[in-house]
Amino acid sequence: GQQLNQSPQSMFIQEGEDVSMNCTSSSIFNTWLWYKQEPGEGPVLLIALYKAGELTSNGRLTAQFGITRKDSFLNISASIPSDVGIYFCAGLSNTGNQFYFGTGTSLTVIP
Amino acid sequence: DAGVIQSPRHEVTEMGQEVTLRCKPISGHDYLFWYRQTMMRGLELLIYFNNNVPIDDSGMPEDRFSAKMPNASFSTLKIQPSEPRDSAVYFCASRDPGRNTEAFFGQGTRLTVV
Repeated sequence: GQQLNQSPQSMFIQEGEDVSMNCTSSSIFNTWLWYKQEPGEGPVLLIALYKAGELTSNGRLTAQFGITRKDSFLNISASIPSDVGIYFCAGLSNTGNQFYFGTGTSLTVIP
Repeated sequence: DAGVIQSPRHEVTEMGQEVTLRCKPISGHDYLFWYRQTMMRGLELLIYFNNNVPIDDSGMPEDRFSAKMPNASFSTLKIQPSEPRDSAVYFCASRDPGRNTEAFFGQGTRLTVV
């Protein structure tokens, strides 16, 4: 299957700090997605990216689709305690049928 | 709509027993996915259906696992016989044909096989 690696694996930050995480793939994707999973819940879509080089924002979240189409980045500005969770990148297969998920970045925000 | 509904939320069973996990996708969604989540392997796609037909089951770990979708509003994932290494959180997700980049996930079933 497709391999999507995320880094860092985990982050512990102070409230108010900015956060950056990235995702790299061994294969090219035409659509990148970022999901957040809170404890005891399923992943929820945060941002979808459709074009290489695209930069998209959703509130304090900004994500970019890498030019090579093999990577993507997610930034969170001015973190707050409710940002806690696991953030997953996902690539949509070229057939448009399957989602391949990254290994996840666990975020802890210290008040 | 209540979203994707999975049952049970938690299941504890003894090794060798049959386990059935259930999923009700969002009405009108034409794709249904079953994922398994573990610390070691993350989110793994097990199988997905399109219009109730299994399209790709290459992620199903072994013959002990089977999935069905008898109609558009119901799917099951069965493990028989269960083993301790099957312990994981199993997620069902469905996708809207008009918004094909978003999969909506259920809350998952946490399975523990002892």
